[in-house]
Amino acid sequence: AQKITQTQPGMFVQEKEAVTLDCTYDTSDQSYGLFWYKQPSSGEMIFLIYQGSYDEQNATEGRYSLNFQKARKSANLVISASQLGDSAMYFCAMRDTGGGADGLTFGKGTHLIIQP
Amino acid sequence: EAQVTQNPRYLITVTGKKLTVTCSQNMNHEYMSWYRQDPGLGLRQIYYSMNVEVTDKGDVPEGYKVSRKEKRNFPLILESPSPNQTSLYFCASSLRDSGDEQFFGPGTRLTVL
Repeated sequence: AQKITQTQPGMFVQEKEAVTLDCTYDTSDQSYGLFWYKQPSSGEMIFLIYQGSYDEQNATEGRYSLNFQKARKSANLVISASQLGDSAMYFCAMRDTGGGADGLTFGKGTHLIIQP
Repeated sequence: EAQVTQNPRYLITVTGKKLTVTCSQNMNHEYMSWYRQDPGLGLRQIYYSMNVEVTDKGDVPEGYKVSRKEKRNFPLILESPSPNQTSLYFCASSLRDSGDEQFFGPGTRLTVL
């Protein structure tokens, strides 16, 4: 069984500062993918970034990067130069990519508030 | 435009009155699934389908049914809704066995009185 742990229920960050949202995972799968989704107050789920378990380089997408440490089973999201529009819930999730039928397993989320 | 649509977006109903939430995707994805989101619990998978006529239970299937008669549609059925099914529901789709993102619908906010 897969498990995602997000230990920060909420965070307050000053605008323009960098933010690190923590995510640790547990799985017995060898091939898996790690995802981060953003959920603004409007409710939709917005895909941010993906990291495959065999990817050697950390994923980056614009201001988002994923700090993947496989041995520690962590997949932290880093947001550089935070903006007011980054205020939202952030969910870390994982999925077996080795042929299993599992969907996404989500963490409980981190509520990020960017302060001006 | 590639998208997942859900209807209705908002629904208030009463205990025991059967309802269906529709989900449709236009990306020819094999894999579709339903999640519910509750405060403090994140999203949990209800049912999933790997292809037409192939469905299976997720983590919280009790009180729900699904069907997959066509590749594009994956309705969620609550035969006898109860107040503990008040939640925000998301349908999602993706390529099967893929590391690519799951595309989410806009969500359906259901209240059962």
